[in-house]
Amino acid sequence: DVKVTQSSRYLVKRTGEKVFLECVQDMDHENMFWYRQDPGLGLRLIYFSYDVKMKEKGDIPEGYSVSREKKERFSLILESASTNQTSMYLCATGEKLLVSGNTIYFGEGSWLTVV
Amino acid sequence: SQQGEEDPQALSIQEGENATMNCSYKTSINNLQWYRQNSGRGLVHLILIRSNEREKHSGRLRVTLDTSKKSSSLLITASRAADTASYFCATAVYGNKLVFGAGTILRVKS
Repeated sequence: DVKVTQSSRYLVKRTGEKVFLECVQDMDHENMFWYRQDPGLGLRLIYFSYDVKMKEKGDIPEGYSVSREKKERFSLILESASTNQTSMYLCATGEKLLVSGNTIYFGEGSWLTVV
Repeated sequence: SQQGEEDPQALSIQEGENATMNCSYKTSINNLQWYRQNSGRGLVHLILIRSNEREKHSGRLRVTLDTSKKSSSLLITASRAADTASYFCATAVYGNKLVFGAGTILRVKS
């Protein structure tokens, strides 16, 4: 079974803090993704990475950065957390070429509250 | 902007009834996927249908795809309380990006 592990399930951070969300996968997948989920808005893609040290912006990259130094690990960074970044963050992984029919596998999510 | 839009936003049915959820999308696709999310958890892949397929079955799930209308539907037959979850459609765009709709919240009452 594919395992996607998000390091923190629940976090509470203060406005202005730097926040790291870590995601590790054990399937040697090329693609890794960070989504944000808010009620009524569904999942919105923040960033994705298709290879080590490679990244592409998703639909809502502002206020976020990412790091992929090793194939199995993809980190989401909030440089200066703000209250409007309170949300559930979901990491996902998948093999290449989603258009050809590969699926993606999600972690359990990280609930971030910024106060 | 979202590629897929699910309809209805919420659905409440009795156990044993069928549940139908619809998804519309905007651009041409190679395939469309459906995912399920239990409350507060990650999403789990349910079924994929390719653009050259019109219908696909998996257990109690039936998915249809109408590329001329850019729409898909997910039917869950003989629903159970354990089917209570949110359901999302997703399409792959630009090669390696999977875009999700806002989801349908299904509640199955026992």
